[in-house]
Amino acid sequence: KNQVEQSPQSLIILEGKNCTLQCNYTVSPFSNLRWYKQDTGRGPVSLTIMTFSENTKSNGRYTATLDADTKQSSLHITASQLSDSASYICVVSDSNYQLIWGAGTKLIIKP
Amino acid sequence: DAGVTQSPTHLIKTRGQQVTLRCSPKSGHDTVSWYQQALGQGPQFIFQYYEEEERQRGNFPDRFSGHQFPNYSSELNVNALLLGDSALYLCASSLVGPEAFFGQGTRLTVV
Repeated sequence: KNQVEQSPQSLIILEGKNCTLQCNYTVSPFSNLRWYKQDTGRGPVSLTIMTFSENTKSNGRYTATLDADTKQSSLHITASQLSDSASYICVVSDSNYQLIWGAGTKLIIKP
Repeated sequence: DAGVTQSPTHLIKTRGQQVTLRCSPKSGHDTVSWYQQALGQGPQFIFQYYEEEERQRGNFPDRFSGHQFPNYSSELNVNALLLGDSALYLCASSLVGPEAFFGQGTRLTVV
């Protein structure tokens, strides 16, 4: 069964600190993996999209990694800001562009 | 570029009523997907429209129906509303390839 699991479920860190969010998936056949940021009550905003051959991709202070062999991905946030408080969702697409969504990690940045 | 726009942003309906939600895709995008997101959960895929036809459908009952117009805009209709239909409804538009852009969503409350 195609699944995407994220950890931790929630995370609280102090402003300025770094953090790493995890995503494990069992989707097959794999097409791409995306990380979205979603503010409460708003639509998701794409941070990165990675295909099978890409190991890392950055978008400002956000860096995503992908290990297609172990089917794991991580999202690293550097020098966190209060505006980074949001849910971060890992989404894996199969070859038919069906999106399998993780439940998200709720990140809270405290001053 | 206006991006993906959804209307209305909020609405309240009574159980048993019908509702229509609207989505205008990002300029140049021809594919529209609809998602239902319950509070604290990841989005659930409802269906996808391409060239005015339903191309894919998730595990939702026939009470959920849609339409795509020649200008690529789309509607989501839900009949016989249940309390459990209360959610954030998201529209995403895309062209060829994996990138999808989401609207801000419509918050539907069924009372």
